[in-house]
Amino acid sequence: DQQVKQNSPSLSVQEGRISILNCDYTNSMFDYFLWYKKYPAEGPTFLISISSIKDKNEDGRFTVFLNKSAKHLSLHIVPSQPGDSAVYFCAARRGGGNKLTFGTGTQLKVEL
Amino acid sequence: GAGVSQSPSNKVTEKGKDVELRCDPISGHTALYWYRQSLGQGLEFLIYFQGNSAPDKSGLPSDRFSAERTGGSVSTLTIQRTQQEDSAVYLCASSFRPGGGDTQYFGPGTRLTVL
Repeated sequence: DQQVKQNSPSLSVQEGRISILNCDYTNSMFDYFLWYKKYPAEGPTFLISISSIKDKNEDGRFTVFLNKSAKHLSLHIVPSQPGDSAVYFCAARRGGGNKLTFGTGTQLKVEL
Repeated sequence: GAGVSQSPSNKVTEKGKDVELRCDPISGHTALYWYRQSLGQGLEFLIYFQGNSAPDKSGLPSDRFSAERTGGSVSTLTIQRTQQEDSAVYLCASSFRPGGGDTQYFGPGTRLTVL
């Protein structure tokens, strides 16, 4: 049972444009959400997070939006850069717990 | 400062053999996590250590899997009698303390291939 879903396995965007990565979840107990970025042969690195008490969190070029009623979150990257090309994982956590539940990832390719 | 390190980076083994995977967390981090990523799947939680508390083993897929953390630092994940379905990238992460929004920092992973 996949509780965190990333339905787009890949996304291709032109440099300078906006990249939008989507994530859906089914467990209403999740109250903290994170995005991780992963380059080949490296471990995931934390990018940005959002608590369920917020609907938006921004950090530089990265903004995460949370729609609790739709159980949906999205990561916006603007402007996209070639160095943003990586696999992006959405993750969720419940109640200050220790486990992260991850989606299957979206491969972002930013083209020149 | 050093990040999370894992060894070996790659391991190829024959079905039925035992393997040990090692994780060195970031110094001072009290929480340590093991995850695995099978082909085409997201990261799957395996086990979690926090200080001297009993580990949360709820994610271990079978009793062939075990892990220990010595002295609150280095951790070893052991898989006995490996099966082909154990082939995956095994990732270790550590955090300063659990929950509270603390970030988990991941190592580069060990790619395990069971022939």
